[in-house]
Amino acid sequence: DIQMTQSPASLSASLGETVTIQCRASEDIYSGLAWYQQKPGKSPQLLIYGASSLQDGVPSRFSGSGSGTQYSLKISSMQTEDEGVYFCQQGLKYPLTFGSGTKLEIK
Amino acid sequence: QVQLKESGPGLVQPSETLSLTCTVSGFSLTSYGVNWVRQPPGKGLEWMGTIWNDGSTDYNSALKSRLSISRDTSKSQVFLKMNSLQTEDTAIYLCAREFYGGYSVGWGQGVMVTVSS
Repeated sequence: DIQMTQSPASLSASLGETVTIQCRASEDIYSGLAWYQQKPGKSPQLLIYGASSLQDGVPSRFSGSGSGTQYSLKISSMQTEDEGVYFCQQGLKYPLTFGSGTKLEIK
Repeated sequence: QVQLKESGPGLVQPSETLSLTCTVSGFSLTSYGVNWVRQPPGKGLEWMGTIWNDGSTDYNSALKSRLSISRDTSKSQVFLKMNSLQTEDTAIYLCAREFYGGYSVGWGQGVMVTVSS
């Protein structure tokens, strides 16, 4: 199975700050990566797929990049509504596997 | 609008079988697959399995011996059955529509299942 390692486990950011979350795959996943946002008590929502494609309706301050085994999610200007837990997920091989999550809070 | 909603018992006895239903709207099960994912309280996400638009299935090998996913296209429902439940199976169970094969959209709100006597 492909292991997904996310970092950091948690971080705090000020309003307007740029935030970056990292995800590393245990093998090359050829940009087969998604990012999800999960707010407290809610289900995950797809933000980014194919490593860098923005899902419909997701604000443009979210962006994804990376290749091979290293990927990142960037929030260009932190907003209060961006608080939550962010998960990466590889979609290349089954079983689909997720990172352990990054908890993002407002400082 | 893609919508999915899980339903099923909130409490299951150890060693018994879990049966959940995912009722979908806004798309056809003959056009898209449905993923089942679970999330233990306060923990991460685990993909359980997928039923594809042609009715074929893929399962997480860690659960394959206990898990079965099926569907009724006329009722727009997908079913999950998992036997021999243990306390470590306590989790929120979620269904979502597959998107470009390996991703998930339109997640349901989930159903909390507690395995306890």
